[in-house]
Amino acid sequence: SQQGEEDPQALSIQEGENATMNCSYKTSINNLQWYRQNSGRGLVHLILIRSNEREKHSGRLRVTLDTSKKSSSLLITASRAADTASYFCAKDADRCGGSNYKLTFGKGTLLTVNP
Amino acid sequence: KAGVTQTPRYLIKTRGQQVTLSCSPISGHRSVSWYQQTPGQGLQFLFEYFSETQRNKGNFPGRFSGRQFSNSRSEMNVSTLELGDSALYLCASSTTGTGATWGKLFFGSGTQLSVL
Repeated sequence: SQQGEEDPQALSIQEGENATMNCSYKTSINNLQWYRQNSGRGLVHLILIRSNEREKHSGRLRVTLDTSKKSSSLLITASRAADTASYFCAKDADRCGGSNYKLTFGKGTLLTVNP
Repeated sequence: KAGVTQTPRYLIKTRGQQVTLSCSPISGHRSVSWYQQTPGQGLQFLFEYFSETQRNKGNFPGRFSGRQFSNSRSEMNVSTLELGDSALYLCASSTTGTGATWGKLFFGSGTQLSVL
């Protein structure tokens, strides 16, 4: 079953605009990660945020985490056509008997950035 | 460093056949995970290997199996293929140490399996 659920399922914006994607999850986490996937290819790791962190930045990416609401958001600023891809959040397994290497992915947000 | 390498890139099989997919992790990575991606179910965890031992397993039937070799390379096998096994199979490797790459998965480009 999918633990991470992204919202929206699809997002279409113009180059230069900001894109915000949200992710909700149901059970506690050790960390939450965001990945990007270009069509039919492998996933590329973007950002990992730990449960005791609230915000993290990497270049034009900003991720926030609200453990009380069990939600995270990914903001891409000044988007480019090359940002067109699917974006997934992934939570690790629960600490009890779990593994940092068994990730549960949401179904993703398809972002289209129009030139 | 070379990335995660998966072979073959595309595969076409018929129902009832079996298939073996191969994955070479990033040098020095000892954990290898496998995921199945379909349009309907999304990304689903199959299993994870570390030092030739299966540490975690997802909710897939016994037709799905895997193994890891002493050089950390991994294979997964699907026997008695069904139409629903058509999917992109992704392999990911990870380091088990601390530091900047902790917890991150590095994915290969995947093997696109079509079952006819």
